[in-house]
This record gives sequence, structure tokens and C-alpha cells, in this order.
Amino acid sequence: SQTIHQWPATLVQPVGSPLSLECTVEGTSNPNLYWYRQAAGRGLQLLFYSVGIGQISSEVPQNLSASRPQDRQFILSSKKLLLSDSGFYLCAGGVSYNEQFFGPGTRLTVL
Amino acid sequence: GQQLNQSPQSMFIQEGEDVSMNCTSSSIFNTWLWYKQDPGEGPVLLIALYKAGELTSNGRLTAQFGITRKDSFLNISASIPSDVGIYFCAGNTGNQFYFGTGTSLTVIP
Repeated sequence: SQTIHQWPATLVQPVGSPLSLECTVEGTSNPNLYWYRQAAGRGLQLLFYSVGIGQISSEVPQNLSASRPQDRQFILSSKKLLLSDSGFYLCAGGVSYNEQFFGPGTRLTVL
Repeated sequence: GQQLNQSPQSMFIQEGEDVSMNCTSSSIFNTWLWYKQDPGEGPVLLIALYKAGELTSNGRLTAQFGITRKDSFLNISASIPSDVGIYFCAGNTGNQFYFGTGTSLTVIP
């Protein structure tokens, strides 16, 4: 079975600093990968998804970008963080369009 | 993006009671998934449904894929304290998933 790894678990960054969150997948090949943000209040907002290396679709125009340099690696980045970027970031993946498994999440606080 | 209507928003129940929650959508979905999320952790997949009318169980959990493909429900029987958490439904169409707003469950011992 597949496992989604994310790090770091928590991160506190100043406004204007860069960001790099990493997600890796274990136990499967060629997964579909997703980045979500979950604000307090529970809803999950889809940020990016990728169906293959170098293929990124963005759902929400924002201060963030994503990259997929390897089949099982998905990176969420920002050049300059804003206060509004604070939240709980979740990486998810699945080998078909009928399943989705989540990583443990990264709690980002921008001060 | 599209959001699913999930209800109730929150539930406070006595240990041992049964629980029922549901999700509805204006769109037809190919798949319905149900997740449980504990504070500070990622959602964990509980049940996946792939066919209209499908009824699937996982221990004390039972979920059904509505016949119209626009709704799904999750039942938890004989609740226990560790059932506490937020439950999400998710529907899939194409390569995207759409999530409900969550049902917060509190179980009173």
C-alpha cells in the first residue's frame, strides 16, 4: 500500500521569507499528487495537482507554486510568504482517479 | 472549487449511540470517499464507494453510494470515545476531488 510522507511537520516562518514543503510517495509509481490547504474551519482547498513529472495544474491563483521534479516527489514553494499563507498543508496522492490518500500534514505559521 | 453539502456540521452523542451523516451534491460523482481526521493530522480514508447503490462496511462503519450518484451517507454504530474527530466526505469527477465541509463528532463517555 502507498504511504505519503510530508515534512516538516510544523514550520514558523517570517513574512517575506521563502517556503519549501516536500511530499514524497512510497509504495507506488506514477501517482496523481495533490496539494491542499486547510484553514481553521475545516474545508480543504485544492491548490495544485499533478498527473506526472513536470505536469502541474493550478486551481487557485496565489502566492504559491508547485513542482514535480521526480515521479514520487511533489514540492510546494513560495518566494515570499504572506500572513495569509498560514494554514495546514496536506499532500495527497492516488494511483487512480478513484482514490486519494493523505500525508500527515505541515502546520505553517507565518508571523 | 465545488463544495459538497455535508450535514450535520457537528454532533454530540452519548457513547454507544449510532451516528449518521450525509453528503449531497448538485453534480454526479464517480466515486465517494469518507475520511476521518484527528486534530493536527491528515485525513485517513475510512471507506471508498465506486458504484451507485453500493453499500460497504468497515467494522462499525457503513457507507452507501446514493442511487442518483449525487449523495452518500456514513453510519457509525455503537459509538466509542475514539470515534471523536472530524469526518469528511469527498466526491470524485475526473481527476479532481471535492470535499464536504466536515462533520465534527463528539462522543460523551
